[in-house]
Order: sequence, then C-alpha cells, then structure tokens
Amino acid sequence: ETGVTQSPTHLIKTRGQQVTLRCSSQSGHNTVSWYQQALGQGPQFIFQYYREEENGRGNFPPRFSGLQFPNYSSELNVNALELDDSALYLCASSLALNEKLFFGSGTQLSVL
Amino acid sequence: GDSVTQMEGPVTLSEEAFLTINCTYTATGYPSLFWYVQYPGEGLQLLLKATKADDKGSNKGFEATYRKETTSFHLEKGSVQVSDSAVYFCALSGGDYKLSFGAGTTVTVRA
Repeated sequence: ETGVTQSPTHLIKTRGQQVTLRCSSQSGHNTVSWYQQALGQGPQFIFQYYREEENGRGNFPPRFSGLQFPNYSSELNVNALELDDSALYLCASSLALNEKLFFGSGTQLSVL
Repeated sequence: GDSVTQMEGPVTLSEEAFLTINCTYTATGYPSLFWYVQYPGEGLQLLLKATKADDKGSNKGFEATYRKETTSFHLEKGSVQVSDSAVYFCALSGGDYKLSFGAGTTVTVRA
C-alpha cells in the first residue's frame, strides 16, 4: 500500500470526448508524475508537476494537460480522445524531485 | 534519447528455479538503473536500484549489477517462489525528472 490513490479505477469514453483522471499523492509529497501504460508496453512519461508547476513533459500532444493543487493532489486531462489513448494511466508521487516514486494502481481508460 | 531493452516474455518457471531477466540500456551520461515489479491488480513497486557502475542492488532475494562496460542491468533470483509471479520492468533515469521503462517481462512461477 503506497498511499497514492487514483480515481476512477476504470473509465469508458467515446472518441472525441474529454476525460479527467485524479490522483491523491502520498502525504507530504510535493512532486507528482503521470505515465501512460499501453497494453503490453512499459509506462511512458507524460509530465511531472512540482509544487503546482509543470516541471517536465514527455512526447505527448498538448491535448494532454495537467494540474497540481495546493494540497498536491493532481489531475490529468485529455481532450479530443482518440482510440490510441486507451491505456492504464499511472500517477506517482515523491517526497521531492529525484526521490523514490510511489505509484498508484492506475486508472484503466477505454476509448471506444 | 534514453532507452531500455529488456528480455521478452512470457517466462514460465517452476518453483525454486533460477530466474534471469536481461536488460540493456542506452543513455548519455551516467544514469541510475531500476527494476520495478507490478503484481496483479497493483501499482508499480520499486524492487531495487543502482546509481553507479558496479553497484549491486538487492531486495527480496533479487539482485542486479550495474555493468557500464556492457550497458546492462540483468535481474537474477536464485530460487523463485509462486509469489514472485508478476511483471518486471527495467528502467533508467538520466538524472532528470523522468523514468524510461522497458516493455516489461511477465514471469509466471508454477508450484
């Protein structure tokens, strides 16, 4: 049990819709990262937030956006959903930059 | 850019067998190397890590040695148990903010 919780656990959307995924970081953690894990693949880095500011971004289009709140919880928003966005989305928090990551169990998104 | 290549699975073993999962990497500079494990229905967990050449990471009977000369970080366990059945991911961090993962290797241990 890592203390990182994600909601919802499963979600079904249709192409073109928008989705918001939520993550509650482990207590005291000020850094959160989001990863996309397609079926049979390793997680791919989407972006990281540190103290409410985006600190780095992977090779994902602008329709993937995020927020980190003052309590360090976080959201991942995806606009104009595409079929290829179907994946497990993982949130990970850490005590600070470059510290050990604690992963949540993920949100399984299916786009039909 | 940074990348990780790991042995394709699935791997099926009998209890008490020896496990090796190969991992090689490409990176500029001197990355930190990791093995993560994902048990069914759970999130990724850090299994072990090594931060410099010749370091050996170990945990729960698993070991991996950072080999700079062969750019490898192979995972080994001498005697696996049914509870070791999981997906194993090799990963690296170049000192920046992200982890680069391999594709994962599914390991099934049969009693």
